[in-house]
Amino acid sequence: EVQLLGSGGGLVQPGGSLRLSCVASGFTFRSFAMSWVRQAPGKGLECVSFMTASGDFTYYADSVKGRFTISRDNSKDTLYLQMNSLRAEDTAIYYCAKDGPTRGDYYFDYWGQGTLVTVSS
Amino acid sequence: EIVLTQSPATLSVSPGERATLSCRASQSVSSNLAWYQQKPGQAPRLLIYGASTRATGIPARFSGSGSGTEFTLTISSLQSEDFAVYYCQHYNNWPRTFGQGTKVEI
Repeated sequence: EVQLLGSGGGLVQPGGSLRLSCVASGFTFRSFAMSWVRQAPGKGLECVSFMTASGDFTYYADSVKGRFTISRDNSKDTLYLQMNSLRAEDTAIYYCAKDGPTRGDYYFDYWGQGTLVTVSS
Repeated sequence: EIVLTQSPATLSVSPGERATLSCRASQSVSSNLAWYQQKPGQAPRLLIYGASTRATGIPARFSGSGSGTEFTLTISSLQSEDFAVYYCQHYNNWPRTFGQGTKVEI
């Protein structure tokens, strides 16, 4: 069974930093692209960041470019999202998600339970 | 950026009825479109990918159709567990975007 266990969320002041983690199990983590998707309270879904299986390509939404960094440790089956210079508008549930089985099939076939990030003074 | 517009925003249906949800893309996404279901307090769940292929474990009452710019998700006979918000998402190019969602309510 595929499981994605996210952690690291919490309350942070504007301008602060957080690092989210997502531990994967139930599949060969090193073989699949992974993403972070967020959902502001009561709002829709936004693709925040993406990384290929090998880490040779990353993508960031314009809203987080230059502030967020995605990374992965394939030896630990773990995906990370380093979030710096946080703003109130970054407040959201952050989901890690597994991308589809083949290169280019970049839909999300499995999702973690989400971790809440609140940016407020 | 490709904009996905879902309609209607809210769909009121009775159990056992058919529900038809629409997703329109601002430019062609070929068949690179997925549908998700999200219930309150839960993560989204993949229903359909490739515009018409059901994901693993998804009941046959869910079907997807369309290509290019016009897509439809049909739930043939609504069950109580199907009342939720449904999102479409394209993966034709970057950035991947979602529609704003359709809430299916009783």
